[in-house]
Amino acid sequence: DAGVIQSPRHEVTEMGQEVTLRCKPISGHNSLFWYRQTMMRGLELLIYFNNNVPIDDSGMPEDRFSAKMPNASFSTLKIQPSEPRDSAVYFCASSPQGRGNTIYFGEGSWLTVV
Amino acid sequence: AQSVTQLDSQVPVFEEAPVELRCNYSSSVSVYLFWYVQYPNQGLQLLLKYLSGSTLVESINGFEAEFNKSQTSFHLRKPSVHISDTAEYFCAVRKTSSGGYQKVTFGTGTKLQVIP
Repeated sequence: DAGVIQSPRHEVTEMGQEVTLRCKPISGHNSLFWYRQTMMRGLELLIYFNNNVPIDDSGMPEDRFSAKMPNASFSTLKIQPSEPRDSAVYFCASSPQGRGNTIYFGEGSWLTVV
Repeated sequence: AQSVTQLDSQVPVFEEAPVELRCNYSSSVSVYLFWYVQYPNQGLQLLLKYLSGSTLVESINGFEAEFNKSQTSFHLRKPSVHISDTAEYFCAVRKTSSGGYQKVTFGTGTKLQVIP
């Protein structure tokens, strides 16, 4: 099992640039999550998809952030324009159907906006 | 809404000593409880979980946690820690309700530092 695959692993970009983070969930998982982790705010849920449909996007910080899931095997998180305060580790995670099921995390995309 | 409290942000402990990482939750309904571990520069991975049945659950690497409903706690313990246990540990909670989407709420994490 390949696990949740994220790209890029590391990105350094200038303020104002567009950033696109990509995720391939585990095959067969129908729930997909995007989280953000920072020292100050800890682990925050940004958005949750179920069967490719956004269910809970209450954690998306502002309009500069958008997420899509065009099919069951791919999702993107886009930041446009990026700001230094967006610097964080962004995790994609997936989970199979079931209330008590484990959430499987990717290794994260480390974003630095300068 | 549910919440999770991990009072200890950092716990230093000597190798081969016992450790307890505390987790308390707040919820008006029954919950599932989880402990996740994050090793440096990696994502979170499940350590153990309580869904139902025995209130004591164990992981494959010697950790255990006990669900205490009266104290709304799910503390994580290990009788003898190893250097390799150095990581950040997150407690998480999710309602058992069958109605629709139920968000998993994570605690703020406890960094376990094992000292040689």
